[in-house]
Amino acid sequence: DAGVTQSPTHLIKTRGQQVTLRCSPKSGHDTVSWYQQALGQGPQFIFQYYEEEERQRGNFPDRFSGHQFPNYSSELNVNALLLGDSALYLCASNELHSYEQYFGPGTRLTVT
Amino acid sequence: GENVEQHPSTLSVQEGDSAVIKCTYSDSASNYFPWYKQELGKRPQLIIDIRSNVGEKKDQRIAVTLNKTAKHFSLHITETQPEDSAVYFCAASERGGTSYGKLTFGQGTILTVHP
Repeated sequence: DAGVTQSPTHLIKTRGQQVTLRCSPKSGHDTVSWYQQALGQGPQFIFQYYEEEERQRGNFPDRFSGHQFPNYSSELNVNALLLGDSALYLCASNELHSYEQYFGPGTRLTVT
Repeated sequence: GENVEQHPSTLSVQEGDSAVIKCTYSDSASNYFPWYKQELGKRPQLIIDIRSNVGEKKDQRIAVTLNKTAKHFSLHITETQPEDSAVYFCAASERGGTSYGKLTFGQGTILTVHP
C-alpha cells in the first residue's frame, strides 16, 4: 500500500516563473492538504481540498492555487514566484472523517 | 486564528534519559493534538496524538499529556535512544462541524540524544 507520494522531488525556478507540484494521496484517502515548510520552521497550512473543491485556506496570497482531480490526486500551483517562496512543500492526506493526516516526502522548491 | 508555541527549541540528552517537549495553544476550540517526528530530509511522521476528551495517552516509550484548562500539552519520551534524534513538531487543530482539521504547527524542537 503506497503512502502519500509527491513529484517532483526537487525543483529550481527563476523569480517570476510559475510552478506546479503534484501529490497522490494514500490509498483510501479522499482529502488533501498542502503545507509550506520554510527552513527551520514548522509547516504552514496553505489549503485543503475535498471533492475537487477548496474547503479551507490559510494565509497565503492568491498566487497559490490548487486543484483536486476525481481520483483524489492534487496539484499546487504557484504563480509569479518570489525568492521567499523557496521552501519544502508538503502534501498530507486523510480520510474525510479521520483526524490523522499523513505526509508525503515533499517537493523542495528553490527560487533563484 | 490558532497559535501554537513550542519549547524548548533545542534539547540535548544522554541516551537513557527522558525528554520532555511542551506546547501551548491559544484556541479553546482546538480538540486534536498530534505530534510529528521529522528526520533530516524526510517527511513528518505522525508518532502519537491525543484528542481533547483524553488527558493522557501512552505508546511504548512515548506519551502525551493534555491540560485543556491551561491549554498546554506535552510529549514525553522515556529511555531515549540515538535514533530518537530528530526534529519534533506539535500541532493543534479543530475537527468537527465546519472545521476541517487544518493543522497549526509549533516551531519545532531539535532533539539530540548522545550515546
